[in-house]
Amino acid sequence: EVQLVESGGGLVQPGGSLRLSCAASGFTFSSYEMNWVRQAPGKGLEWVSYISSSGSTIYYADSVKGRFTISRDNAKNSLYLQMNSLRAEDTAVYYCAREDDGSYYDYWGQGTLVTVSS
Amino acid sequence: QSVLTQPPSASGTPGQRVTISCSGSSSNIGSNTVNWYQQLPGTAPKLLIYSNNQRPSGVPDRFSGSKSGTSASLAISGLQSEDEADYYCAAWDDSLNGPRHVFGTGTKVTVL
Repeated sequence: EVQLVESGGGLVQPGGSLRLSCAASGFTFSSYEMNWVRQAPGKGLEWVSYISSSGSTIYYADSVKGRFTISRDNAKNSLYLQMNSLRAEDTAVYYCAREDDGSYYDYWGQGTLVTVSS
Repeated sequence: QSVLTQPPSASGTPGQRVTISCSGSSSNIGSNTVNWYQQLPGTAPKLLIYSNNQRPSGVPDRFSGSKSGTSASLAISGLQSEDEADYYCAAWDDSLNGPRHVFGTGTKVTVL
């Protein structure tokens, strides 16, 4: 059974940092592209970042470029999101999602809440 | 900010057919496949339709998708109470600043 479990969320002050993790199981992690998607309270879905299966290709949304860093460790079946210079508008539930066929997200984690507030 | 436009809400009585539109541009829907996600209250999104009109295993056949030009649509026929949820279209966008994944603004479906 495919499972994606996010962790690392919490309350952080503006300007602070946080590292999210996504533990994958039930599939060959190293064969799949992965993404982070977030959802602010009461709002819609917003794509954050993409990483290829090998980690060699990475994309970011303009809203996080230069502040967030996506990475993966295929030996540990894990995906990460390092978030720096956090702002109030980064407050959201962050989901990791497996991408299939270079197009769609077929499995999602349960999400982890990040709250940026003083 | 979303670049795919959806109506904020849609509704119907049980058994009715509901259609949700998704309007994009040549850089996203016009050149890439469209996927649809269902998000039940308090849960993570779930893949509903992929590659414009394909249903993953386990998705009822009352859900169907289509695409024409720079627009797509999701139809729910035989609406059921458990279909009450938020629905999002999505596609990759070949922007000048580099590829990005874009979601629709979301449509809340209410079963009357």
